[in-house]
Amino acid sequence: DAGVIQSPRHEVTEMGQEVTLRCKPISGHNSLFWYRQTMMRGLELLIYFNNNVPIDDSGMPEDRFSAKMPNASFSTLKIQPSEPRDSAVYFCASTPSGLAAGTQYFGPGTRLLVL
Amino acid sequence: KNQVEQSPQSLIILEGKNCTLQCNYTVSPFSNLRWYKQDTGRGPVSLTIMTFSENTKSNGRYTATLDADTKQSSLHITASQLSDSASYICVVSGSGGGADGLTFGKGTHLIIQP
Repeated sequence: DAGVIQSPRHEVTEMGQEVTLRCKPISGHNSLFWYRQTMMRGLELLIYFNNNVPIDDSGMPEDRFSAKMPNASFSTLKIQPSEPRDSAVYFCASTPSGLAAGTQYFGPGTRLLVL
Repeated sequence: KNQVEQSPQSLIILEGKNCTLQCNYTVSPFSNLRWYKQDTGRGPVSLTIMTFSENTKSNGRYTATLDADTKQSSLHITASQLSDSASYICVVSGSGGGADGLTFGKGTHLIIQP
């Protein structure tokens, strides 16, 4: 199994540009999570999908952030417009169970730098 | 407010030595507690999961303990190796296991020196 796949691995963009991060969860996993990690705040849960349906998006910082999961094998996290404070590592994770309490399998992350 | 506090923030020890990382939480009601290891430039990987009724769980040289009464957990690493250099993150799940019950610590950054 290839594990959770994320792309791109690195992204450098200018303030105001749109950024799209992509994630392919492990086949057969029902739940998908998007996280942001910074030195100051550690890991923060942004949004959680179960069976492709957004369950909890209370962690999405503001309207500039949006996430979709059009099918069981693909999800996107979009930032529009991007700002320097969005610079962070963004992780996608999936679990085989429907509960957030299940063991999560993390992807390698996308390192985003907004100039 | 649910919180998870980890200590120390960072730790440097010599290869072959033992060390203990601490995790204190205020999450209630409690469902389970996980320790994750995160190597530099990679995503976190689960080491152990502990439920309310478990006091100790081992995974190779890693041993996690849980005291649900005092709401404390520790991760003990025995005979450390250079590959143990990483961040160790404590995650506590509460309530019904939904995402709103997930609380993350900021991690302990461990460096093993040869």
